[in-house]
Amino acid sequence: AQKVTQAQTEISVVEKEDVTLDCVYETRDTTYYLFWYKQPPSGELVFLIRRNSFDEQNEISGRYSWNFQKSTSSFNFTITASQVVDSAVYFCALSEVAAGGSYIPTFGRGTSLIVHP
Amino acid sequence: NAGVTQTPKFQVLKTGQSMTLQCAQDMNHNSMYWYRQDPGMGLRLIYYSASEGTTDKGEVPNGYNVSRLNKREFSLRLESAAPSQTSVYFCASAPVEIFSNQPQHFGDGTRLSIL
Repeated sequence: AQKVTQAQTEISVVEKEDVTLDCVYETRDTTYYLFWYKQPPSGELVFLIRRNSFDEQNEISGRYSWNFQKSTSSFNFTITASQVVDSAVYFCALSEVAAGGSYIPTFGRGTSLIVHP
Repeated sequence: NAGVTQTPKFQVLKTGQSMTLQCAQDMNHNSMYWYRQDPGMGLRLIYYSASEGTTDKGEVPNGYNVSRLNKREFSLRLESAAPSQTSVYFCASAPVEIFSNQPQHFGDGTRLSIL
């Protein structure tokens, strides 16, 4: 079984603050993939990043950075100098190999980030 | 823009009515998926199709049927709608036969209310 836990239901920050969204996962597989998606108030789902289980390098993309630590089964997402436009629900997802060889994704319940001006 | 197109965007049904949600992608993706999103629950997989001609159940398949009409189209049918099926439904596609390490591309969602 696989499980993704986003313990923070809602986070509220003031613009320009840094904020970290936590994601903890459970899996028995050695090969798996982790993702982050953003869902702004308009409702669409926007892909942010993919990471496979063999690549623990942290990644930075502009104000966004991701910290993947297999030792703690975590894939945390940090926004530096947050902006109002970052207000959204953020989903962490895990994909591992299911019976029959296909990959089935599981999403966390999401963290709602509210950035106040 | 190319991508995943869902129709309709909004729908209100009465309990017991049936309807089909349509999804089409023009990215030549092999895999397609249907999710439902409920408040505080994240996205839960209803059905998926790893490739044309195949469909499999996801986490919450009860009350739904799917058809992979061709490579482009994957429809979701509610035979007898129930209030518990009130939700936002998302269709997604991915460019490989299995989900693998490719991101899914999502449609804009269908808001379905069952009265």
